[in-house]
Amino acid sequence: AQSVAQPEDQVNVAEGNPLTVKCTYSVSGNPYLFWYVQYPNRGLQFLLKYITGDNLVKGSYGFEAEFNKSQTSFHLKKPSALVSDSALYFCSTGGSWGKFQFGAGTQVVVTP
Amino acid sequence: NAGVTQTPKFQVLKTGQSMTLQCAQDMNHEYMSWYRQDPGMGLRLIHYSVGAGITDQGEVPNGYNVSRSTTEDFPLRLLSAAPSQTSVYFCASSRETNTDTQYFGPGTRLTVL
Repeated sequence: AQSVAQPEDQVNVAEGNPLTVKCTYSVSGNPYLFWYVQYPNRGLQFLLKYITGDNLVKGSYGFEAEFNKSQTSFHLKKPSALVSDSALYFCSTGGSWGKFQFGAGTQVVVTP
Repeated sequence: NAGVTQTPKFQVLKTGQSMTLQCAQDMNHEYMSWYRQDPGMGLRLIHYSVGAGITDQGEVPNGYNVSRSTTEDFPLRLLSAAPSQTSVYFCASSRETNTDTQYFGPGTRLTVL
């Protein structure tokens, strides 16, 4: 069975500081991993994905994620956080026949 | 492209009532799915479809029905609403299943009294 876990309910960071949102996965076979962001009262928006290839994946809005097979992790990072990055972030894994699994979500709060 | 559209945006039902949440996409995506979002539980898959005429159950299918008569539309039916179905519902679509980006609709906020 495929699953992802986001160990932190909330991450607080000051504007300009590095931001990391953690995700670990449990997947049989090749892992297909995604990050999505949700702003208040909106649907989820795609940020980036890892399918194969380079372990460092670059995505939208300056975000990147590092795939680490030995640690089964796919942490989302941004070198310098903005107040506008405050949102709910979801890690997801692509399952067989469309059964995507999502983590519980991590609320990011960036303070000025 | 309008992307993925959902109607209505908000709905209040009484226990036992039925209703249909509409979802449509104009990207010619084969794969469509319905999720519910509850605080602290992330998104949970209700039903999904890998093409017209093909549907299957997800993680939490009880109390919901779906059909897929066209590529574009994937309605979700609540047969007899219960307070436990109070949630935000999202429809999503993608070209393929495992590896492709999902595009989400804006959501329907449903309250069952």
